Amino acid sequence: AQSVTQPDIHITVSEGASLELRCNYSYGATPYLFWYVQSPGQGLQLLLKYFSGDTLVQGIKGFEAEFKRSQSSFNLRKPSVHWSDAAEYFCAANDYKLSFGAGTTVTVRA
Amino acid sequence: EAGVTQSPTHLIKTRGQQATLRCSPISGHTSVYWYQQALGLGLQFLLWYDEGEERNRGNFPPRFSGRQFPNYSSELNVNALELEDSALYLCASSLATSGSPDTQYFGPGTRLTVL
Repeated sequence: AQSVTQPDIHITVSEGASLELRCNYSYGATPYLFWYVQSPGQGLQLLLKYFSGDTLVQGIKGFEAEFKRSQSSFNLRKPSVHWSDAAEYFCAANDYKLSFGAGTTVTVRA
Repeated sequence: EAGVTQSPTHLIKTRGQQATLRCSPISGHTSVYWYQQALGLGLQFLLWYDEGEERNRGNFPPRFSGRQFPNYSSELNVNALELEDSALYLCASSLATSGSPDTQYFGPGTRLTVL
């Protein structure tokens, strides 16, 4: 069955430290891949997407993600976290309907 | 450019009633998607409309239904409300037609509370 897995439910990181959120997908062919961010009670904001081509994708707010076909992964990274990055992050794959991972909640400590 | 808009922001209903949620896509987008985000259940796909037609639906009972209007806006109707229907309902739109998937952009959601 097609699925998206985010192994980490909750991550705590210090402000200024680096952040990496993991995402693995299980699809027959490489789907379109996305990272979204959701602040409490809000909708989803698109951070970045991967369709094809360069495997390192740059997004908004200083985020980037790397697609690794051999590992079926699409991990999200940010070199230096700001307090405003505290939110829930969702990895998603698209074969028309979006299938989401369970989400990773990021807490930023001062 | 205006993003996806949803109304109302909050909706409170009692069991057995009907709820109607509305969504206006980004201008030029023809596809509208509905998702349910219930506590503990994550984000689940509900319905996909494109060019006025229902293209796909998720694993939800028939009391979840909707439609897409000629201006591509959409309604989600939930009949015979149950307590477990309490959730944030998110609408998204995209340029996708039946040809290929595309990026989906989300609205702020409607928080439905069933008492």
